[in-house]
Amino acid sequence: AQTVTQSQPEMSVQEAETVTLSCTYDTSESNYYLFWYKQPPSRQMILVIRQEAYKQQNATENRFSVNFQKAAKSFSLKISDSQLGDTAMYFCAFMRGGSGSRLTFGEGTQLTVNP
Amino acid sequence: DAGVIQSPRHEVTEMGQEVTLRCKPISGHNSLFWYRQTMMRGLELLIYFNNNVPIDDSGMPEDRFSAKMPNASFSTLKIQPSEPRDSAVYFCASTQGTSQPQHFGDGTRLSIL
Repeated sequence: AQTVTQSQPEMSVQEAETVTLSCTYDTSESNYYLFWYKQPPSRQMILVIRQEAYKQQNATENRFSVNFQKAAKSFSLKISDSQLGDTAMYFCAFMRGGSGSRLTFGEGTQLTVNP
Repeated sequence: DAGVIQSPRHEVTEMGQEVTLRCKPISGHNSLFWYRQTMMRGLELLIYFNNNVPIDDSGMPEDRFSAKMPNASFSTLKIQPSEPRDSAVYFCASTQGTSQPQHFGDGTRLSIL
């Protein structure tokens, strides 16, 4: 079974600064995918970024980037130039490769961006 | 394009009543997932369907819970009889093919009094 751990229940950052959210996972699978989802107070689950385990290059989406360390089973999210709208709960998630595989979520990190 | 559509958005009912949650996945998506989110247990998978067939229902907590997917565009999650501990946010998500990210609906907040 896979496990995902987010060790930071809460974090805060000043607007325009950079913040990094941590995530570690445990799996024996070789083919898998990792995701960060954002859940603002509206409770929508919004995909932020994804990473294929077979790719060495770290994924980037505008102000969001990841640091994927496969050997260490670490998958951190960096948010640059933080904006007030980034305030949300952030979930790290693991998905085994293959059709219709489930997501296994971490506990979440509540990020607050302060003006 | 329309996303995953869930209804109702909120449901408040008394214990013992039957509750039915509904989901319309994104057109063309062949996998559908039901998740439950609570403060105590976080986000957990209840059941998922592939091509309308239930693949894994090991997360369904009890026989009081049942889910169906009669066609590619509709799924229901039913709780009968409901109990206060069923209070949670229930999400439906869908995806297309292998390794694609899941797209979530806005969730149903269920309160059982």
